[in-house]
Amino acid sequence: NAGVTQTPKFRVLKTGQSMTLLCAQDMNHEYMYWYRQDPGMGLRLIHYSVGEGTTAKGEVPDGYNVSRLKKQNFLLGLESAAPSQTSVYFCAGGTGKDTGELFFGEGSRLTVL
Amino acid sequence: GQNIDQPTEMTATEGAIVQINCTYQTSGFNGLFWYQQHAGEAPTFLSYNVLDGLEEKGRFSSFLSRSKGYSYLLLKELQMKDSASYLCAVSDSNYQLIWGAGTKLIIKP
Repeated sequence: NAGVTQTPKFRVLKTGQSMTLLCAQDMNHEYMYWYRQDPGMGLRLIHYSVGEGTTAKGEVPDGYNVSRLKKQNFLLGLESAAPSQTSVYFCAGGTGKDTGELFFGEGSRLTVL
Repeated sequence: GQNIDQPTEMTATEGAIVQINCTYQTSGFNGLFWYQQHAGEAPTFLSYNVLDGLEEKGRFSSFLSRSKGYSYLLLKELQMKDSASYLCAVSDSNYQLIWGAGTKLIIKP
């Protein structure tokens, strides 16, 4: 089992460019999440999904869009990248809200110049 | 607002015991989690507390006091591989995880 896999692992963008981060999971998780992690701050939730075809906004959704067309994939899009979006992005999956244990991908380091 | 506080950094000696504290103020409470994160890697689950008291799992134990909004993670017989950041997170009334900034634990020989 691969678990939760993110691609790409690293990316450098120029301001205004667009890109998509892909999260794929083979753990049959209903819930999937996109977080960003910045120095000195806790993980912040960008968007999440409670099942195929559903998405919802988290704490910091502005500038990002997501889609969950298939249960195993959760895509995070940046339509027009800004330097403030320089961060490490983590995707996570979970079975639901009861236990809350999350399984994280390895992270994607994005730099916006 | 919702807030999770934990020390930024702690140093301990190999073989010793260290306690990492976490205090929280959240709208509702549906459990408290501890995760370990090695530098450059993903967080991994360590423990979950929803009732008051101590949960022991090998060298690691986690304690919760809901009335005090307080938890700690206790690491015994420290090993060099325990050098990592330890993240405290609380599940709020909407079952959303609120994360602390993490405590960087440095283990010295």
